[in-house]
Amino acid sequence: QQQVKQSPQSLIVQKGGISIINCAYENTAFDYFPWYQQFPGKGPALLIAIRPDVSEKKEGRFTISFNKSAKQFSLHIMDSQPGDSATYFCAASMRKTGANNLFFGTGTRLTVIP
Amino acid sequence: EAQVTQNPRYLITVTGKKLTVTCSQNMNHEYMSWYRQDPGLGLRQIYYSMNVEVTDKGDVPEGYKVSRKEKRNFPLILESPSPNQTSLYFCASSYRVTNQPQHFGDGTRLSIL
Repeated sequence: QQQVKQSPQSLIVQKGGISIINCAYENTAFDYFPWYQQFPGKGPALLIAIRPDVSEKKEGRFTISFNKSAKQFSLHIMDSQPGDSATYFCAASMRKTGANNLFFGTGTRLTVIP
Repeated sequence: EAQVTQNPRYLITVTGKKLTVTCSQNMNHEYMSWYRQDPGLGLRQIYYSMNVEVTDKGDVPEGYKVSRKEKRNFPLILESPSPNQTSLYFCASSYRVTNQPQHFGDGTRLSIL
């Protein structure tokens, strides 16, 4: 059972456009929502993360929007660049387990066309 | 340089032949974890460890073993590999406190024939 649902599976965006990836969860115990970026042949790397006490977090061209009541969060990549072409994973974790376990979405393969 | 190192990076083997994938980190992290990545399924946790001699099952532990005898090492053991264990495997480490960034190795691609 997938605890974090992610869409779309793949995304093609023109250079300069906005890339949007969406995730949803059911477990209200989740209290930390990171996004990981993975390039071919490499492991995932933390891109940006948000806690549920804020509705938005921005770091450069990357923004997480968080809707606690809908149990949804999304990643927006503004002014998308070919170098952003990668696979993006949303994830969630909960403090109450005491372990830094992440539950990942199924991933979105982003291609930015020059 | 802070890193998580996995070996081997690629391995083709046959059903039933025991294999070990090693993982080592140089960041003095307490927490280490193994994931497998399959198309359409994302990353699924196999086993994790909160500290030396402390390990626990993740979501898909069947057919795998781990050990944590030293803080820096967390090997993944397949005692009798089967074709359904063909996958891309990642080791990760972090500080024990929850919600810390996990640092991933570059992956091990296993093919079990």
